[in-house]
Amino acid sequence: DIQMTQSPSSVSASVGDTVTITCRASQGISGFLAWYQQKPGKAPKLLIYAASTLESGVPSRFSGSGSGTDFALTISSLQPQDFATYYCQQAHSFPLTFGGGTKVEIK
Amino acid sequence: EAQLVESGGGLAQPGRSLRLSCTASTFNFGDVAMGWFRQAPGKGLEWVGFIRGKRYGGTTEYAASVKGRVTVSRDDSKSIAYLHIDNLRTEDTALYFCASQSPIAPPGFFHYWGQGTQVTVSS
Repeated sequence: DIQMTQSPSSVSASVGDTVTITCRASQGISGFLAWYQQKPGKAPKLLIYAASTLESGVPSRFSGSGSGTDFALTISSLQPQDFATYYCQQAHSFPLTFGGGTKVEIK
Repeated sequence: EAQLVESGGGLAQPGRSLRLSCTASTFNFGDVAMGWFRQAPGKGLEWVGFIRGKRYGGTTEYAASVKGRVTVSRDDSKSIAYLHIDNLRTEDTALYFCASQSPIAPPGFFHYWGQGTQVTVSS
């Protein structure tokens, strides 16, 4: 199984800050990586797929990068509605696996 | 844009069975792969099962943690995907989500999600 390791597990930031979350795969997954945002009690929302493709309707302050084993999600100019938990997911092979999540909290 | 609605959750006793449904109002339902996921209280996301679209024979994949107890199926004529769980365990307690891929995007990514249905396993 491919293990996905996210860091940090939580981050405190202020509105307007830039936040970067990283995700490392235990083996190469090419660009088969997605990022999701989840708010408490709600369904995940796809932000980025294929490592760097912005999902339709997602603000451009979200961006993804990386390939192989190392990936990053960057949120520029953090907005109040961005405080949530973020997960990476590999789509390279079954079983599909998620990172442990990164909670972005208000400083 | 697809809309997915889960149903069938609730309180069940250990050892019993449960069938969750995911009704889609969408594009060509039969063409898209569907996934089931769950989230235990205070925990992260866990993939449970997956079923391919008709073009790929509707074949299935399962997480090791549930393999042998879980069956994913679909009725394309009704635009419904199912998750059947046998021999429920207390550790199956979670919020269950269905999600779909997009027919126009690369596979493996879940663009549309239902709101979730709660399953609680307790005696």
